[in-house]
Amino acid sequence: EVHLVESGGGLVQPGGALRLSCAASGFNFSSYEMNWVRQAPGKGLEWVSYISRSGNTRYYADSVKGRFTTSRDNARNTLFLQMDSLRVDDTAIYYCARAHYCDSWGQGTLVTVSS
Amino acid sequence: QSVLTQPPSVSAAPGQKVTISCSGITSNIGNNFVSWYQQVPGATPRLLIYYNNNRPSGVPDRFSGSKSGTSATLGISGLQTGDEADYYCGTWDSSLSAVVFGGGTKLTVL
Repeated sequence: EVHLVESGGGLVQPGGALRLSCAASGFNFSSYEMNWVRQAPGKGLEWVSYISRSGNTRYYADSVKGRFTTSRDNARNTLFLQMDSLRVDDTAIYYCARAHYCDSWGQGTLVTVSS
Repeated sequence: QSVLTQPPSVSAAPGQKVTISCSGITSNIGNNFVSWYQQVPGATPRLLIYYNNNRPSGVPDRFSGSKSGTSATLGISGLQTGDEADYYCGTWDSSLSAVVFGGGTKLTVL
């Protein structure tokens, strides 16, 4: 069974940083592209970033470009999202999702940016 | 403002059929596959349809997807109260090099 577990969320001040992790199990992690998707309180889904199977290709939403970096460790079956220069409007639940069409989702981790 | 356009809400009675539209442009829906997701309040999004009209295992055949040109449609037949949720369409946008989602449609089963 596919299992994705995000961690690393929490409360951070504006301008701060957080590193999210997504631990994958139940499938061959290195064979799948991965995405980060976020959802602000009471709002819709917003795609954040994409990373290819090897990690060589990455794409970002304009709203996070230059501030967020996605990476992966295929040996440890883990996806990461380094978030720097955090803003209040980055407050959201952050989900990792498998494959380019997001066929499986984790339960999410809440990031709150507030002073 | 979302790249893909969905109606904010739809409603229908139990047992009826409802359709949810998703409108885009050539660089997204026109040239790429569309997916649909269901998000029950308080829960994680769930993939309902991928590659325009394919259902993952476990998704009932009451759910169907179609695409024509730069628009896509999700159909739900035999509505049940458990179908009340937010529904999102999504696809790749080749011009933006980004995944794009619709703003979501809230389904109410009256």
